[in-house]
Amino acid sequence: DTGVSQNPRHKITKRGQNVTFRCDPISEHNRLYWYRQTLGQGPEFLTYFQNEAQLEKSRLLSDRFSAERPKGSFSTLEIQRTEQGDSAMYLCASSLAGGLRTGELFFGEGSRLTVL
Amino acid sequence: AQTVTQSQPEMSVQEAETVTLSCTYDTSENNYYLFWYKQPPSRQMILVIRQEAYKQQNATENRFSVNFQKAAKSFSLKISDSQLGDTAMYFCASQLNAGGTSYGKLTFGQGTILTVHP
Repeated sequence: DTGVSQNPRHKITKRGQNVTFRCDPISEHNRLYWYRQTLGQGPEFLTYFQNEAQLEKSRLLSDRFSAERPKGSFSTLEIQRTEQGDSAMYLCASSLAGGLRTGELFFGEGSRLTVL
Repeated sequence: AQTVTQSQPEMSVQEAETVTLSCTYDTSENNYYLFWYKQPPSRQMILVIRQEAYKQQNATENRFSVNFQKAAKSFSLKISDSQLGDTAMYFCASQLNAGGTSYGKLTFGQGTILTVHP
């Protein structure tokens, strides 16, 4: 297993279009997280899953955002009717709940969204 | 709610020298983890070091060590013998812990850009 994989790495879209990002976590990890990072800032939490259950959603996650993890493996993050303010890097991370390395998140390289 | 503050937007250091990055945090909880993550340019974020709040001993990982002052809610990172590959953005982060199984969500600071000069 080579780590957390995110696709696409870059997405340029026009305002009003829908976009979807995919995250494949490390295979044995039961937790999966989405963060948003704007240039020069720290990542902001969006949502996280334990297996297929979405356990927490940030207030940052407006109604235009939806995330799924249907079989407890990969996850998708969809943004509907994109706005220029959605331009950011979307980071996915995964972790194991419990164990010696509890708490450590493993991050993907991110999906950069540019809304024109 | 947890907050994490990094007051140094940028730092620089000469190769082989030592540098300290500052971080303060605020939480009403007593059981939590603290982390330093490194994000090299155009690369993914990786864990540098972690500290469990109930442990008084400061964590160390090779050239990286922390100064954890729980009462002051301070968590600084010291990098010894700095290398060119240490050039990156460094993020301090906190995470609640409940009964040995963490909540998982990390709260990040704003980051410090560290540049190591040859």
